[in-house]
Amino acid sequence: GNSVTQMEGPVTLSEEAFLTINCTYTATGYPSLFWYVQYPGEGLQLLLKATKADDKGSNKGFEATYRKETTSFHLEKGSVQVSDSAVYFCALSVFTGGGNKLTFGTGTQLKVEL
Amino acid sequence: DADVTQTPRNRITKTGKRIMLECSQTKGHDRMYWYRQDPGLGLRLIYYSFDVKDINKGEISDGYSVSRQAQAKFSLSLESAIPNQTALYFCATSQGVSEQYFGPGTRLTVT
Repeated sequence: GNSVTQMEGPVTLSEEAFLTINCTYTATGYPSLFWYVQYPGEGLQLLLKATKADDKGSNKGFEATYRKETTSFHLEKGSVQVSDSAVYFCALSVFTGGGNKLTFGTGTQLKVEL
Repeated sequence: DADVTQTPRNRITKTGKRIMLECSQTKGHDRMYWYRQDPGLGLRLIYYSFDVKDINKGEISDGYSVSRQAQAKFSLSLESAIPNQTALYFCATSQGVSEQYFGPGTRLTVT
């Protein structure tokens, strides 16, 4: 079956620090990979995505590269801000005859302090 | 206005009561989904619908039912609520195999 494993949180960083949140996956077929972000009290928002091996998704200073050889999709940001404090979810989607369904990791809480 | 709306946003109910959570979307998407979120477990799929006549069970459908009243509306029902159904519930939509867009969530507490 499909599964996503994320590093456990919370991750606490000082403003302007470098961020890495690890994500690895197992999947049957060829998945698309996603990072979603959930700000306090809100629903999930798509942060970035990659649909094939070696693709790099990027948005708002965040990046993640689809690494098929290591089955990974790690999220990185060079300089975090207090406003980046949120829960980050890695997810995958594999298209089957019945369509696509998302499989989520458990989420990683990020806290950024001044 | 939000593209995906959920009502109610918060609900407290008693064990054994029937409750319905509603989701509406203005995005014109064909596919709709219901998830629940529990601390430490991420999001798990309850039911999904690829069009008005197509309803499918997700990984945790026991104790839940759904109705796709129209392309824009997808409701989730708990026929007889129990405390372990206390969770945050999210509706999502997508067009075909594109990314999913989430509503703001409904916080349900069953006492």
